[in-house]
Amino acid sequence: SAVISQKPSRDICQRGTSLTIQCQVDSQVTMMFWYRQQPGQSLTLIATANQGSEATYESGFVIDKFPISRPNLTFSTLTVSNMSPEDSSIYLCSAGGGMGDTQYFGPGTRLTVL
Amino acid sequence: RKEVEQDPGPFNVPEGATVAFNCTYSNSASQSFFWYRQDCRKEPKLLMSVYSSGNEDGRFTAQLNRASQYISLLIRDSKLSDSATYLCVLLTGGGNKLTFGTGTQLKVEL
Repeated sequence: SAVISQKPSRDICQRGTSLTIQCQVDSQVTMMFWYRQQPGQSLTLIATANQGSEATYESGFVIDKFPISRPNLTFSTLTVSNMSPEDSSIYLCSAGGGMGDTQYFGPGTRLTVL
Repeated sequence: RKEVEQDPGPFNVPEGATVAFNCTYSNSASQSFFWYRQDCRKEPKLLMSVYSSGNEDGRFTAQLNRASQYISLLIRDSKLSDSATYLCVLLTGGGNKLTFGTGTQLKVEL
C-alpha cells in the first residue's frame, strides 16, 4: 500500500485568503484524488489530479476555487482560494494504482476559516 | 435517492456481540465495492473489498448481492477496538471514482 503524507495537518485561516495543501506519495501512482469531508459528513470527491494536464472536477467544484497541480506521479497540491467559513472542512488526498485499484488516503488537512 | 445509503446508527453493542451493517446503492454500473473504516478524526482506511462470492477476513465477512444492489458487513465477536464509523464505498465512473456512503457508527461497549 502507498504511504501518503499531507501538509499542513491543520490550519486556521482568515476569510478571503488562500491555502495550498500538499500531498506526497512514497511511490509513483497513476491516480491521485482530492476529497472534502465536512463536519459530520462523509467524503465528497472534489477532483481527480491528472499528471501533466488539467484536473477533472466533479459537479459543484470549479478550478477557480480549487486549483490543483500535479507536476509528477508522486506529488499534488490543492489550493482553497478566497476562503469563506463554509470552506471549513477536512481535505484529504488519496492515491491509487488505476482502474479498479484500491485507494489509500492521506491523514487529511483540517481547515478552519474564521 | 442517494447513490449509497447506509443506516447512520449509532449501533451500540456489547463486547463479543455480532453486528451487521447494510448498504444499498443505486448505480447498477458500479464496478467494485469496499468497506472502509474511519476512526474519529482520522482518515478512512480500507477494511476489505467485497465480492459477489462473499469474502471473509478473520472476524469480518462481506457480501455483495448485485441483483438487489446490496452490500453487507458482518462483524463477529466484536472488540472495543472495532468502535469506528464503517463506510460503504463504490467504485464507479470508469473505474476511478470512489463514492462514499455516509457511514454507520459502531460503538462497542464493555
